[in-house]
Amino acid sequence: KAGVTQTPRYLIKTRGQQVTLSCSPISGHRSVSWYQQTPGQGLQFLFEYFSETQRNKGNFPGRFSGRQFSNSRSEMNVSTLELGDSALYLCASSFLGQSTDTQYFGPGTRLTVL
Amino acid sequence: AQSVTQPDIHITVSEGASLELRCNYSYGATPYLFWYVQSPGQGLQLLLKYFSGDTLVQGIKGFEAEFKRSQSSFNLRKPSVHWSDAAEYFCAVGEAVSGYSTLTFGKGTMLLVSP
Repeated sequence: KAGVTQTPRYLIKTRGQQVTLSCSPISGHRSVSWYQQTPGQGLQFLFEYFSETQRNKGNFPGRFSGRQFSNSRSEMNVSTLELGDSALYLCASSFLGQSTDTQYFGPGTRLTVL
Repeated sequence: AQSVTQPDIHITVSEGASLELRCNYSYGATPYLFWYVQSPGQGLQLLLKYFSGDTLVQGIKGFEAEFKRSQSSFNLRKPSVHWSDAAEYFCAVGEAVSGYSTLTFGKGTMLLVSP
């Protein structure tokens, strides 16, 4: 079974631009979560989607948004990029998004904002 | 709100020596606890998890962890470290009460293995 895939793997943008990252979960998984990883803040939860609905959201500004499609694939969007948005963005999928489910992480998308 | 503390930012261990990585958590109820490992350029891989029952849990790659409620700890151990274990290790607590799969991570411990 293929793992979680994220595209693109690397991205360079300039301040003020917007960016869309994509995540394809493991086949059969209906929950997708997004995390931001930075050297200073570590791993922080962004949001979680299940059956095309956002169920949980972390403490990030409204510039960060996401969506999930009927095939469980998910995208996250960051508008009006700031230098501080430079990070590794990790996507994780799980079967039902329950607290006892194992989350499987993708390799991440490395976003650099110049 | 829950939190996780990994007091050691870096640890260096000789190959073949034993390893213990510390993790302390703060959570109002019985926590769901996880250890993940991240190799350079990779995502996170689950090593082991604790939900309930036996407080000593076995994971992959020869790792084990012990849940100690009285100390709010969930330390990761390995009896003999291999050079391939060099990576960053993250302890995380899950939201047992809400039922969501959201994880709160510690800042991580970088393991260096010396020959």
